[in-house]
Amino acid sequence: QVQLVESGGGVVQPGGSLRLSCAASGFTFSSYGMHWVRQAPGRGLEWVAFIRYDESDQFYVDSVKGRFTISRDNSKKTLYLQMNSLRPEDTAVYHCAKDDYGTGWSSLKYWGQGTLVTVST
Amino acid sequence: DIVMTQSPDSLAVSLGERATIKCKSSQSVFNRSNNKNYLAWYQHKPGQPPKLLFYWASTRESGVPDRFSGSGSGTDFTLTISSLQAEDVAVYYCQQHYTTPLTFGGGTKVEI
Repeated sequence: QVQLVESGGGVVQPGGSLRLSCAASGFTFSSYGMHWVRQAPGRGLEWVAFIRYDESDQFYVDSVKGRFTISRDNSKKTLYLQMNSLRPEDTAVYHCAKDDYGTGWSSLKYWGQGTLVTVST
Repeated sequence: DIVMTQSPDSLAVSLGERATIKCKSSQSVFNRSNNKNYLAWYQHKPGQPPKLLFYWASTRESGVPDRFSGSGSGTDFTLTISSLQAEDVAVYYCQQHYTTPLTFGGGTKVEI
């Protein structure tokens, strides 16, 4: 069955960097687009980024453009989110999620449990 | 960006009673080329990842009880729980996946 397991969260100071990973199994990772979605404490869900199956294109929410980079290693079946210039408002649980398509975007049936990122002094 | 507006923010419903959640998008999420609404509904419980309930606005995901129903088209959508059960206590989100940035509604907290 599809499994997505995030790692890499932790506490970081404002302005710092962190790289999240999402290990995928149970499906042909290289055939599907992948997303990052976050939920700040006490807030709703916010889509963060999407990457196509072949890394040919990436899409971001405006608030992270220029600071976050989504990437993937299909040989390792792993999705990444490099987060630079972190701000307190980036504090959230970050989930990876599998798209049903390779190039477009669908509803999100499969999600990881999430990893907590805390940006604080 | 497409703004998704849910109402109400929260609602308290007695066991066995109906719960109705509205979702309105700032522009249509209907694709005429395939006759589909790019609208999904999720159920989110604390400590768990969101669970997909409906896709294409009204197609129930496998395993979702039939007391849940999704309806609507274009810009106006509704999630209905016909007879609320204790396990339905959660926050419910609508989401458009018509275009990026994908956007979620603010969520509706359903309580007993």
